[in-house]
Amino acid sequence: EVKLQQSGDELVRPGASVKMSCKASGYTFTDYAMHWVKQSPGQGLEWIGTIIPLIDTTSYNQKFKGKATLTADKSSNTAYMELSRLTSEDSAVYYCARDHRGLAFDYWGQGVMVTVSS
Amino acid sequence: DIVMTQSPSSLAVSAGETVTINCKSSQSLFGSVRQKNYLAWYQQKPGQSPKLLIYLASTRESGVPDRFIGSGSGTDFTLTISSVQAEDLANYYCQQYYDTPWTFGGGTKLELK
Repeated sequence: EVKLQQSGDELVRPGASVKMSCKASGYTFTDYAMHWVKQSPGQGLEWIGTIIPLIDTTSYNQKFKGKATLTADKSSNTAYMELSRLTSEDSAVYYCARDHRGLAFDYWGQGVMVTVSS
Repeated sequence: DIVMTQSPSSLAVSAGETVTINCKSSQSLFGSVRQKNYLAWYQQKPGQSPKLLIYLASTRESGVPDRFIGSGSGTDFTLTISSVQAEDLANYYCQQYYDTPWTFGGGTKLELK
């Protein structure tokens, strides 16, 4: 069974950074790209970026360049996303989602709620 | 960026009705290599992650009931849910997979009348 287990919800101060994880199981981690998606009430669903764990290649939505950094650890089958210089605009739920043969996102993690507040 | 526009934004239905959700893209999603439309539909129930229903505009993901039907081509797409059941009450999103940045529609909330 494919599963993407994300780390817990975060409460962070403005200006700080946060790093979240997405541990994959039930499939060969390096066979699929991993996407990250932001869901906020005002903006709906937004694609942040994608990492191809096999070759450690990333691509980003221009909107999130400089905000998000994607990495992957093949030894632990885990993808990571770090968000920097957090503001209230970054308060949202963040999902990791597996790529479906370049056609859609087929499996999603349970989401990490990030709240930016002093 | 390709803009995805869904309509309506919300829809109140009774169990057993057939509903139609529309999705329009700002440019064609038809890929000439595969001769397919790069459009997906997702269902998101309250408190849950999105779930893939349909990809390539009309291909149902494994395990998705056949009352969910995707259609359309080019810039105009439709998700039809025949004989709506209570478990179908959720938000539905379209997504284009034709060009980065991948973009989503604003969503359609399906509610009980």
